[in-house]
Amino acid sequence: AAGVIQSPRHLIKEKRETATLKCYPISRHDTVYWYQQGPGQDPQFLISFYEKMQSDKGSIPDRFSAQQFSDYHSELNMSSLELGDSALYFCASSLYVTGGAYNEQFFGPGTRLTVL
Amino acid sequence: RKEVEQDPGPFNVPEGATVAFNCTYSNSASQSFFWYRQDCRKEPKLLMSVYSSGNEDGRFTAQLNRASQYISLLIRDSKLSDSATYLCVVNKGGATNKLIFGTGTLLAVQP
Repeated sequence: AAGVIQSPRHLIKEKRETATLKCYPISRHDTVYWYQQGPGQDPQFLISFYEKMQSDKGSIPDRFSAQQFSDYHSELNMSSLELGDSALYFCASSLYVTGGAYNEQFFGPGTRLTVL
Repeated sequence: RKEVEQDPGPFNVPEGATVAFNCTYSNSASQSFFWYRQDCRKEPKLLMSVYSSGNEDGRFTAQLNRASQYISLLIRDSKLSDSATYLCVVNKGGATNKLIFGTGTLLAVQP
């Protein structure tokens, strides 16, 4: 079965530009998560969506927004890009289980964003 | 203090060795626990979920001690292909399923 798909895989932007990252979850998965991993850092949770509704929000800057569409794919929109936004952005998906126990999340290959 | 703590390593071991990684978490409300492995510049890949009774998958054994808020991963008969960063990951469950990652432990298996 196909895994999580992310596009683009690499993106180079200038400061103050905007970027849109896309994520296509595993078939039948209804929950999508976005994580940011800076150089030498562990992944940090940004935001998640369940059934097209935002389910949780982490350390996501106000310059970033995201949404989940009716086909469950998700887009992360980033505006006024800063040098510090350079990182790997991972999308993960899972199938929601009541109670939240063992909702195993599967990660996409990531988008490497470089801001110059 | 990080919510999930791991020894960053590196652990340099010869092929065939047994190696153990430890992890502690601070939030006693945490509900589920995982080990992921991450190769350089790649995505985290789920290695195994960690159950209260402990679980084994081939050469890998995971243990959970809720009372001590401690998780472990044992790798037997290490292979060169086991070289990676091993991430201890905690999920608080409930209304949120966000994963909290440890900083990872780097394993280098030497020929």
